[in-house]
Amino acid sequence: GAVVSQHPSWVICKSGTSVKIECRSLDFQATTMFWYRQFPKQSLMLMATSNEGSKATYEQGVEKDKFLINHASLTLSTLTVTSAHPEDSSFYICSAARLAQSYEQYFGPGTRLTVT
Amino acid sequence: GIQVEQSPPDLILQEGANSTLRCNFSDSVNNLQWFHQNPWGQLINLFYIPSGTKQNGRLSATTVATERYSLLYISSSQTTDSGVYFCAVYSNYQLIWGAGTKLIIKP
Repeated sequence: GAVVSQHPSWVICKSGTSVKIECRSLDFQATTMFWYRQFPKQSLMLMATSNEGSKATYEQGVEKDKFLINHASLTLSTLTVTSAHPEDSSFYICSAARLAQSYEQYFGPGTRLTVT
Repeated sequence: GIQVEQSPPDLILQEGANSTLRCNFSDSVNNLQWFHQNPWGQLINLFYIPSGTKQNGRLSATTVATERYSLLYISSSQTTDSGVYFCAVYSNYQLIWGAGTKLIIKP
């Protein structure tokens, strides 16, 4: 149980375009979803925390207008990278949790974004 | 804030060897989790372990919360064990990550 999917698994886009990444909890209802970014050879950096039906909480230094997060339902959160630039190229990973039951986070497989 | 340190940073072993990875953390935590990130980037939950010992096949983990460390044991290593092993601790509901141990298992 506790499976999280992400779509797409990889995407290449041109500078100036926007890209949407979906994160779904497939077999449970996630009250909270987290979005991370991972640079090569580094650990994960938390970008934002989102709760279903409310605005996301962004970590310091993360531009909320560039990284739009929507948590529309208990099984779906989306991250939209707006007006993407090459420096936005990275590996983006989401996780989901049922905080009322446990802190344990379940991770999606990640999305590799390349901006040309 | 809480600091999480993992050691060693890199480890190269022959197939069949055993290994111990260590995670030290600087303050009391709600919980701790071990992950394996495979070469394709997928993070796999290994153990969610606030204290005590858990085992799953060739892997086991021990957390001694009072002494602020956790150990991950891998026995009879296989090439598929290669990747990066992360320890992360929970501070409230957020994860604080260690830098990882990169493990390479040679055939």
